[in-house]
Amino acid sequence: DTGVSQNPRHKITKRGQNVTFRCDPISEHNRLYWYRQTLGQGPEFLTYFQNEAQLEKSRLLSDRFSAERPKGSFSTLEIQRTEQGDSAMYLCASSSSDLDTEAFFGQGTRLTVV
Amino acid sequence: SQKIEQNSEALNIQEGKTATLTCNYTNYSPAYLQWYRQDPGRGPVFLLLIRENEKEKRKERLKVTFDTTLKQSLFHITASQPADSATYLCALAFPGASNTGKLIFGQGTTLQVKP
Repeated sequence: DTGVSQNPRHKITKRGQNVTFRCDPISEHNRLYWYRQTLGQGPEFLTYFQNEAQLEKSRLLSDRFSAERPKGSFSTLEIQRTEQGDSAMYLCASSSSDLDTEAFFGQGTRLTVV
Repeated sequence: SQKIEQNSEALNIQEGKTATLTCNYTNYSPAYLQWYRQDPGRGPVFLLLIRENEKEKRKERLKVTFDTTLKQSLFHITASQPADSATYLCALAFPGASNTGKLIFGQGTTLQVKP
């Protein structure tokens, strides 16, 4: 296993279009997270999955955002009717269920909404 | 709401010197605190974790301290090298979140080590 994989690495879309990102976590990790990061800021938590269950969502996650992890393995993050303010780096991370463990991040998907 | 502040200015130091980065938080103390390194266009990479009942952790040239009275963590890189140039992120997990691993990040401090 080579770590957390995210696709695509870059996405340019027109305002109003829908986009979907994919994250493949480390295979034995049952925890999966999505974060969003804008220039000069740290990552902001969006949502968390324990296996296939989405257990927490940030208020940052508007109705236009939806995330799934259908079989407790890979996850998708969809943004509907994109806005320019959605332009950011979307980071996926995974971890084991051990207490106080580190998160392993993917390389991120850079979204630009034009 | 919880706030996390890191050195807002970029830190420029000479190779061989010790870099010291600061992470301050408000309100209640986290269950644990982590430091990550992030290079441009890449995801964060875990460096060190320190728990609320620990004062200091070391790993090779890295040292982290945690003072719950001051609500502060310091991150030190000794004998710094140009390859240490990156953005360093402080991340906190709070008692309710320690069961989920959810992290709250500071804005990061950019370190530049000059040869």
